Amino acid sequence: NAGVTQTPKFQVLKTGQSMTLQCAQDMNHEYMSWYRQDPGMGLRLIHYSVGAGITDQGEVPNGYNVSRSTTEDFPLRLLSAAPSQTSVYFCASTYRWGTQPQHFGDGTRLSIL
Amino acid sequence: SQQGEEDPQALSIQEGENATMNCSYKTSINNLQWYRQNSGRGLVHLILIRSNEREKHSGRLRVTLDTSKKSSSLLITASRAADTASYFCATGLPFSGNTPLVFGKGTRLSVIA
Repeated sequence: NAGVTQTPKFQVLKTGQSMTLQCAQDMNHEYMSWYRQDPGMGLRLIHYSVGAGITDQGEVPNGYNVSRSTTEDFPLRLLSAAPSQTSVYFCASTYRWGTQPQHFGDGTRLSIL
Repeated sequence: SQQGEEDPQALSIQEGENATMNCSYKTSINNLQWYRQNSGRGLVHLILIRSNEREKHSGRLRVTLDTSKKSSSLLITASRAADTASYFCATGLPFSGNTPLVFGKGTRLSVIA
């Protein structure tokens, strides 16, 4: 099992560009989420999903879109990149939040110039 | 907004010593989880303690939970250089099984050989 796979691992964008961060899991988890991690801020929730076709906003959703067309994939889209979106992005999945462990990918390190 | 807050923010100890990290949270919980993050990697689940449990062990890890004080502690005994990492607590809210975990800002542990 690969677990949670995130691509790319590193990316540099220019302000205004758009891109999609990919996340795939092979554990048949219904619950998936995206976090961003900034120095001194811990992990902040961007968007989450409880199954295919169902998504919702987290604490810091502005500037990001998500969709969930399959159980396996949960891509995060940056619509028009801004320097404030420079961060490390983590995708996670679980059988159920709060009662089961979350499995994390190794992150995408994104720099916006 | 952070539900859990770890203390201290940073901790430096000698190999072989014990390391204690604390987590305080604001609202009632179903359970609390601890995660470890090595530099440049995603978070890895360590242990889950339910609200009706007071103490739990896993290898060199000991977690306590005091729901009356809304606090938890993580003890790592006989620490090793490989324990150098950041440690996060995460809480699951009651009656909200469809809500992702909320993470604290973490404690950075340095174990000096």
